[in-house]
Amino acid sequence: SQTIHQWPATLVQPVGSPLSLECTVEGTSNPNLYWYRQAAGRGLQLLFYSVGIGQISSEVPQNLSASRPQDRQFILSSKKLLLSDSGFYLCAWSGGGVINGYTFGSGTRLTVV
Amino acid sequence: QKEVEQNSGPLSVPEGAIASLNCTYSDRGSQSFFWYRQYSGKSPELIMFIYSNGDKEDGRFTAQLNKASQYVSLLIRDSQPSDSATYLCAPFSSASKIIFGSGTRLSIRP
Repeated sequence: SQTIHQWPATLVQPVGSPLSLECTVEGTSNPNLYWYRQAAGRGLQLLFYSVGIGQISSEVPQNLSASRPQDRQFILSSKKLLLSDSGFYLCAWSGGGVINGYTFGSGTRLTVV
Repeated sequence: QKEVEQNSGPLSVPEGAIASLNCTYSDRGSQSFFWYRQYSGKSPELIMFIYSNGDKEDGRFTAQLNKASQYVSLLIRDSQPSDSATYLCAPFSSASKIIFGSGTRLSIRP
C-alpha cells in the first residue's frame, strides 16, 4: 500500500533562517506531488505541484521554492523565512486516478519567530 | 470571486440530527468534487467523491451535486460528536488540480 511521509512534525524557526521540508511517498511510482499551506483558521493554499522529476509548477509567487530530485521525493525550501511563512504545511500525492483524490501527509506546523 | 465558497461556520447541530454543508464553485469546467474532513491540527482526509449530477450515498454521508447551479452539498445523517470537524469542499479543476474551499466548521452538540 502507498504511504506518504512528511517531516518534521513541528518546527520553530527564526525570521531570516532557511527552511527545508521533506516529503516522500512509498509504494507507488511517478506520483503527482503537491505542497499546500494552511494559515491558522484558513483554507488550503496550493503552493507547488510536480508531475515528474525536475518538473515544478508554482501557484503563488513568494519566497518559497520546491524541488523534486527523485521520483518520490518532494522538498519545500526557503532561503530566508518571513513571519508570514508560519502555517501548517501539507504534502500530498495523487496517482491512483481522480476518484481517489489526494492523500495528505501528516503535515509540518511551522512557526516563524 | 473565489473559486470555491463555503460558509465558515461554525455550524452547530444537535447529536442525531442531519448536518447540511454547502459549497458553490465558479469553474464550470469542474466535473468532479471531493469532500474532505479535517480534524483540528490534523491533515485532511477524503470522505466523499462525486462526479454525476444527483445524490451519492456512503453510509451516513450523502453528497449532492447540481452542475447547472454550480452547487455541491454534503449531508451527514445521525450526526455524532466524532463528526465535529472542518469540512472542505474541493472541486477537481479543469487544470487537473484540486482547489480547496476554506471549509465549514461543524460542531455536534451532545
